[in-house]
Amino acid sequence: EDQVTQSPEALRLQEGESSSLNCSYTVSGLRGLFWYRQDPGKGPEFLFTLYSAGEEKEKERLKATLTKKESFLHITAPKPEDSATYLCAVHPQGGSEKLVFGKGTKLTVNP
Amino acid sequence: EPEVTQTPSHQVTQMGQEVILRCVPISNHLYFYWYRQILGQKVEFLVSFYNNEISEKSEIFDDQFSVERPDGSNFTLKIRSTKLEDSAMYFCASEPDSYNEQFFGPGTRLTVL
Repeated sequence: EDQVTQSPEALRLQEGESSSLNCSYTVSGLRGLFWYRQDPGKGPEFLFTLYSAGEEKEKERLKATLTKKESFLHITAPKPEDSATYLCAVHPQGGSEKLVFGKGTKLTVNP
Repeated sequence: EPEVTQTPSHQVTQMGQEVILRCVPISNHLYFYWYRQILGQKVEFLVSFYNNEISEKSEIFDDQFSVERPDGSNFTLKIRSTKLEDSAMYFCASEPDSYNEQFFGPGTRLTVL
């Protein structure tokens, strides 16, 4: 069964304190891995797509990387407005179009 | 920037009642989805819709659920007889082509009393 596990479940950082969120996945094959940001009571907001091991994508203070078994979302010098839940999702191979989501990491950045 | 919209933002209903959740996907997108998220849990896939028919559905999507694209712009999810356990956030998503990023709407919070 396709599975996505994110860690930690929650992370508290001070403003400017860099860190990484982890997403490990077990799938029969990977078509793509996606990172989303979700604010309370809102829908997931697309951040990045990664397709192959070694690929990296960057956007402002965020950088996503991908290996054969996991992905990392690195947050450099975070600000309070980066506080949100970060979701990882995979598109498994095999013809399914659905996204399989992890439970997310709730990030809180204190000023 | 184009976005997915959903109405209503919050729906309260009595158990056994029918509800219809509405979505307007991004224009020119080809694939449409419904997901749900029970409070504190993962986002779960319900159904995908392409070329005016269901292309995939999960075990959650039983006979009580149906989807429609009645007029080429709206995309609806109907729950025929709601249960307490249907209480959740329901998200619509659309995708320009297969295996691309899916763009999500803001969600409808469904509360079944």
